[in-house]
This record gives sequence, structure tokens and C-alpha cells, in this order.
Amino acid sequence: AQKVTQAQTEISVVEKEDVTLDCVYETRDTTYYLFWYKQPPSGELVFLIRRNSFDEQNEISGRYSWNFQKSTSSFNFTITASQVVDSAVYFCALSARHPGSARQLTFGSGTQLTVLP
Amino acid sequence: DGGITQSPKYLFRKEGQNVTLSCEQNLNHDAMYWYRQDPGQGLRLIYYSQIVNDFQKGDIAEGYSVSREKKESFPLTVTSAQKNPTAFYLCASSVTGTAISEAFFGQGTRLTVV
Repeated sequence: AQKVTQAQTEISVVEKEDVTLDCVYETRDTTYYLFWYKQPPSGELVFLIRRNSFDEQNEISGRYSWNFQKSTSSFNFTITASQVVDSAVYFCALSARHPGSARQLTFGSGTQLTVLP
Repeated sequence: DGGITQSPKYLFRKEGQNVTLSCEQNLNHDAMYWYRQDPGQGLRLIYYSQIVNDFQKGDIAEGYSVSREKKESFPLTVTSAQKNPTAFYLCASSVTGTAISEAFFGQGTRLTVV
């Protein structure tokens, strides 16, 4: 079975601090995709990034960066110089095939990030 | 503007009643999904549809029903058989139904049983 674990339920930081959100995944599929989504207080999930299992390059987009390590089955997300507007719930998700079944998207339980002014 | 529209934003249901949550998209996406979100938990898949007139059960389909008569619309009915329906419901769509493209989400419907 596939699984996504976000061990950090809640994180609070002060504005301008860097913060890393952890994501660990489990799958037997060899071709899979990892996602990060942001859920602001308004409720809708906003797509941040997708990474496939064959691309282990780290990615940076402005203040956001992602560290994908297959050896540890982790796909961590770092926000540099955090801002109050970064306060949200962040979800990590895995798209992989169940044995004998279609590909499914599985979400972690989310990390509530609060950035204090 | 292209996007996904869910209505209503808040919904109250008496025990024993069926209620239908609306989800409409104008993104021309083939695949649509319904997720349930409970406090402290991730999103759990209720139903998904890869093409019109076809849909599949997700992990927690019991007590729910869907239809996909039009590409743009994927309504979810919460039936009286759903024992604990109070939750936040999110509809999503994606270009394909293979769960490899990013999904676009609506703003959700918060259902409360009174």
C-alpha cells in the first residue's frame, strides 16, 4: 500500500525564519509522482510543485525549495525567509499504482504552518 | 475565469436526509474527484471519474453516490447511509485521470449534520 507521512502536525515560526516541512512516502511503484499543495484559510488547495520519481534534482522557486531524496523516500519543502502570508496547511501527496489497480493520489495528513509577525 | 466552482459553501443537513453537493468545472478537464477532509487528517478519496458516464469508488465511498452525465459537472450526494457526514468536502479536476497531472481544487463545501 502507498502511504504519505507528514510527522509535523503544527509548526510555528517567526517571520523571516526559514522552515522545512517534512514528507516521507512509501510505495512499491517504480514510477511515481510527488506533489505539494498549499491550503490557505479560504479552503481550496493550491498546487505548488510536482516531481516524478526519475528526477531527483532539487528545485528552487523564489523563497520555496524542494529536496527530493529517493534513498530516504523523502520530499521535503523549505520556505526561506517566511512571511505571514505563508501561513496555511501544506499537504504532500503521492501518485502511484496500487498492485493490480489504477494509479491513485494519496495525501498526507498535512502540516499547519503559522508564521507570526 | 477558468476554475472549479463548488456550491454551497456551507450546508446543514438533518439526520436521515440526503443532500447533494455541486461541483462544476470549466477547465475542459476529463477527470474529476471528490475528497473528504476531516480535522487533522489528509484528504481521503470518495469517488473519481475519468470520463463522462463513468466513475469509480475511492477509499471511502460507502454512504455516497455520484453521477457524471456532463464533462463539466460531478455532483456528490451524501446519503442517509453515511453515518458521520460532517466534514469538509473538496472537489477537484485534472487534465487526465491518471493522477500524474496536478489537480485543481474548488473552495470546498462544509457539511454539518444538525
